[in-house]
Amino acid sequence: AQSVTQLDSHVSVSEGTPVLLRCNYSSSYSPSLFWYVQHPNKGLQLLLKYTSAATLVKGINGFEAEFKKSETSFHLTKPSAHMSDAAEYFCVVSTTSGTYKYIFGTGTRLKVLA
Amino acid sequence: GAGVSQSPSNKVTEKGKDVELRCDPISGHTALYWYRQSLGQGLEFLIYFQGNSAPDKSGLPSDRFSAERTGGSVSTLTIQRTQQEDSAVYLCASSLADGMYSNQPQHFGDGTRLSIL
Repeated sequence: AQSVTQLDSHVSVSEGTPVLLRCNYSSSYSPSLFWYVQHPNKGLQLLLKYTSAATLVKGINGFEAEFKKSETSFHLTKPSAHMSDAAEYFCVVSTTSGTYKYIFGTGTRLKVLA
Repeated sequence: GAGVSQSPSNKVTEKGKDVELRCDPISGHTALYWYRQSLGQGLEFLIYFQGNSAPDKSGLPSDRFSAERTGGSVSTLTIQRTQQEDSAVYLCASSLADGMYSNQPQHFGDGTRLSIL
């Protein structure tokens, strides 16, 4: 069965320092993987997606993620945090079971300190 | 272009009343999803519509919850006899046809914030 784990519920970084949000998945086949961002009182917005093409995926707002099959990871990174990056981030993995085929992680709240 | 539109943006009602939440998906998107997000929590899947297929209702928490999608476009989520634990943000999303490999990104509305007094 597929699953997704976001290893940190909260992450704090200083403005201008790198961001690392961790996501591990479990899947018996090559899944599709997504990262979404949710700002306060807003819906989720797609940051990037992996669908078995290049393992390093570039997204919006300077974010990128690397698919590492050997580590079953899809961590989200950004070289330099901006105050506007403060938000909730969700990692999502696709699944083959059932009609509805997505599993959402529990989210990581990113805090950016001035 | 126009994104996913949800209405109302906020709804306050008394316990025991029925409520209807509306979602207008992106034109051409055949897949539509409803989620519930309680305060400080992640997303809870409720129901999924794909074209003319029977909806996947596996996430509905009780028989007080139901949803329709008329004409393959607008969807309404109805909660009957509301309870205080129904207070949450209800998010709707749509996507292009979601095939076997589930690689279509979902486009989300800003949600309806439901408060039950």
